[in-house]
Amino acid sequence: DSGVTQTPKHLITATGQRVTLRCSPRSGDLSVYWYQQSLDQGLQFLIQYYNGEERAKGNILERFSAQQFPDLHSELNLSSLELGDSALYFCASSATGLSSYEQYFGPGTRLTVT
Amino acid sequence: GNSVTQMEGPVTLSEEAFLTINCTYTATGYPSLFWYVQYPGEGLQLLLKATKADDKGSNKGFEATYRKETTSFHLEKGSVQVSDSAVYFCALSDLTTGNQFYFGTGTSLTVIP
Repeated sequence: DSGVTQTPKHLITATGQRVTLRCSPRSGDLSVYWYQQSLDQGLQFLIQYYNGEERAKGNILERFSAQQFPDLHSELNLSSLELGDSALYFCASSATGLSSYEQYFGPGTRLTVT
Repeated sequence: GNSVTQMEGPVTLSEEAFLTINCTYTATGYPSLFWYVQYPGEGLQLLLKATKADDKGSNKGFEATYRKETTSFHLEKGSVQVSDSAVYFCALSDLTTGNQFYFGTGTSLTVIP
């Protein structure tokens, strides 16, 4: 158990809908990373937050947004969902904002768009 | 730009065989290099890392050496066990280009008794 929690574990929704994925980092970790894992794209870095502020941005679509709250949990919002958004979404946390430090991954949220 | 190229799998080995999973990288700055492992149904776990050239990361019998001259970070283990069956990801982070994280495509390893 990494100490990172993600909810929900599974999510099934229809095209055009909007969903919110939630992540709680390990106790004491200030940084949260979001990743998308799909069969055709592999593991893609989406976005990083550090202590409430956006720190780095990767291949995140404009339909997607994220935020980190004062209690350090983070939410990833996916809107206008398309079939191609079906994937496993991972959250990871680390103690610092530097990506050279170890990241602890949550178990993931499996999103299925029908 | 930054990228990681990893040998394609799947790889199937017998128990106690020698393992090598190749990883090469392209980076514009001075990256840190990582190997992560993903067991079935779980998130990724850090296996080992190296933050500068010629560093060797090691953990649980796995090793990888950061080779700047060949831009490589190959993962090796002298004697694999059935419990090593998992997907292995090579990754890099480069603070000089915005703190992003880049993963390889993953290599699936199955060890048979």
